[in-house]
Amino acid sequence: GAGVSQSPSNKVTEKGKDVELRCDPISGHTALYWYRQSLGQGLEFLIYFQGNSAPDKSGLPSDRFSAERTGGSVSTLTIQRTQQEDSAVYLCASSSRLAGYETQYFGPGTRLLVL
Amino acid sequence: GQNIDQPTEMTATEGAIVQINCTYQTSGFNGLFWYQQHAGEAPTFLSYNVLDGLEEKGRFSSFLSRSKGYSYLLLKELQMKDSASYLCAALDSNYQLIWGAGTKLIIKP
Repeated sequence: GAGVSQSPSNKVTEKGKDVELRCDPISGHTALYWYRQSLGQGLEFLIYFQGNSAPDKSGLPSDRFSAERTGGSVSTLTIQRTQQEDSAVYLCASSSRLAGYETQYFGPGTRLLVL
Repeated sequence: GQNIDQPTEMTATEGAIVQINCTYQTSGFNGLFWYQQHAGEAPTFLSYNVLDGLEEKGRFSSFLSRSKGYSYLLLKELQMKDSASYLCAALDSNYQLIWGAGTKLIIKP
C-alpha cells in the first residue's frame, strides 16, 4: 500500500485477555518499529526489526509483550494478560535504510483500552 | 545516557513566529528529525538535519548545531492549523531514533 497500515484502529479488551496488533509497513521498507504513546506523553520505543530479526528489544516493558515479523513485511505485537496500564496508542513505523537518511513513516496507530 | 529535552508547551499568536528548541545527548549522532503530531493522529515528518546550519522549507525552518547538541524548529506566519505537538528526535550511532516528549504548541487568534 501507499502508507503504513495498522489494525485494528481501536481495541477495547478486558484485563487479563490477550491482544494482537498488526502492522503492515510500506512495501520495500526493511526496518519496522513499534512505539507506545500514552495520553499526552511522548513516544516510548518498544522494539525494532531489521528484516525479520529484532536487534533491539530493549523497550519491551515486560515479558507479557512480544513481537514478530515474518517475510520481512507484516509485524504483529502481542500483549498477553493485558493490564490497565497497557492502555495507550500503539504506533508502528517503517523506514528504508536504502534512502540517503532514515525517515520513519508512521501508521495511524491502534488505540488500546484495557478495562 | 541518551536524552532529548524540549519545552513541554508553548503559546503563540496567529501570524507570528515561534521557535521551538531541542537539545540532545546521544551515543553517536546521525541526524536530527522534527515531526508534527496533531491530537489523535500519528506523527508526520517535517525535517531532517545532519549538517550544521539552517534548512528552510516553506514556512518551516530547522536549524542544527552539532557542536552544541542543539536544534530548533522555526515556524513563521503561524496558522491555527499549526496547533499541534512538535517532536524532536535524534538518530544515534545504531540508527535508533531517540524521541523527545514533544512540545505542545497552542496558537491563539
